[in-house]
Amino acid sequence: DTGVSQNPRHKITKRGQNVTFRCDPISEHNRLYWYRQTLGQGPEFLTYFQNEAQLEKSRLLSDRFSAERPKGSFSTLEIQRTEQGDSAMYLCASSLGGQGISFSETQYFGPGTRLLVL
Amino acid sequence: DQQVKQNSPSLSVQEGRISILNCDYTNSMFDYFLWYKKYPAEGPTFLISISSIKDKNEDGRFTVFLNKSAKHLSLHIVPSQPGDSAVYFCAARGEYGNKLVFGAGTILRVKS
Repeated sequence: DTGVSQNPRHKITKRGQNVTFRCDPISEHNRLYWYRQTLGQGPEFLTYFQNEAQLEKSRLLSDRFSAERPKGSFSTLEIQRTEQGDSAMYLCASSLGGQGISFSETQYFGPGTRLLVL
Repeated sequence: DQQVKQNSPSLSVQEGRISILNCDYTNSMFDYFLWYKKYPAEGPTFLISISSIKDKNEDGRFTVFLNKSAKHLSLHIVPSQPGDSAVYFCAARGEYGNKLVFGAGTILRVKS
């Protein structure tokens, strides 16, 4: 399977705990995105990497959230001191982009990690 | 502010008929639009896209139409099949960024 993979698929944690999610993009893709989706809404952008550089962060990404892509391949998203409002589906997507704006760039999504904070 | 709106939360269509899903946007800087399909407990699956320089793109049973002056796009599925039953998301990309802005989705039910 050469699609985007995410682990774990499900995570239940207690309020105040830290959690970390992993995303493995499609192997030749240089761009990687994180989105969050809550019930009844579409995915909302959190952050994006081009290779190992984090190029954009949403205002949704509070100081408790940190994302890394250390070698330009897989990425991790960590949430510290989780709150019940963090309960959501966390989606990762990857794409093949060029320099500047790649006009026909398509993002391919993984299956997501569903987080429940009790 | 919701820059991408899908005003119909759900749509029910008979198998074999046409399904038309609509999407409106407010930001004239959006230059690329995509439709994704999502089954429960799975991530969104890319369906079809269209750039702002075109007004139509077709791929098999799926056709996307873009009306830039009205800031409106639609997805046509002909003929609809029960396996098309899913949530459909419209997404748009801004000219100066790579992030996608999504609508809230439309639940499509195709009845056999």
